[in-house]
Amino acid sequence: AAGVIQSPRHLIKEKRETATLKCYPIPRHDTVYWYQQGPGQDPQFLISFYEKMQSDKGSIPDRFSAQQFSDYHSELNMSSLELGDSALYFCASSPPGLAGPGGTGELFFGEGSRLTVL
Amino acid sequence: SQQGEEDPQALSIQEGENATMNCSYKTSINNLQWYRQNSGRGLVHLILIRSNEREKHSGRLRVTLDTSKKSSSLLITASRAADTASYFCATINNAGNMLTFGGGTRLMVKP
Repeated sequence: AAGVIQSPRHLIKEKRETATLKCYPIPRHDTVYWYQQGPGQDPQFLISFYEKMQSDKGSIPDRFSAQQFSDYHSELNMSSLELGDSALYFCASSPPGLAGPGGTGELFFGEGSRLTVL
Repeated sequence: SQQGEEDPQALSIQEGENATMNCSYKTSINNLQWYRQNSGRGLVHLILIRSNEREKHSGRLRVTLDTSKKSSSLLITASRAADTASYFCATINNAGNMLTFGGGTRLMVKP
């Protein structure tokens, strides 16, 4: 079965550089989520998109932006990178009706993109 | 953690023993879920319990939910070395559009 695809899997950048992460959700999933997980931390919600429109915003820095394209893939753009941005970045997708009566409530996660800022 | 707190933060047991992990949360929820994460890998959904349920079973997993205490527990019975991972609880808000994770429990099962 198709899973959530993230690229690149590993990325090394210098401070103040820019990075772009990509996410390809499971086909027919209508919502994409981005999470950041620092070393030894729990995943922190950054932002989500429902049907290509921004749905919710969490603890996403102003230096970061994201969008979802017509083919439903999403990109997370990070500028003016700081050492503290080093983390695993996860993308997840969910089918329609996530938390509704018939929904499973399950998010499907990709394997993550590990960003290291030097 | 913004939402849930888990205890213990780390748990080490022998194969065959049971492992119990607890989670507390702060706001009203639609449902609570448990996820598993192998080191440096993606999160995998284990089980979901809705706010009107008190207990749920799935294979060797048993989840309880006490909405009055805003807490949940995950029991893994007859643990195996392959169960070694971090386990996170996560809650869906009432609007049903945001999943918030609590701090994980790192479980180590020794063979």
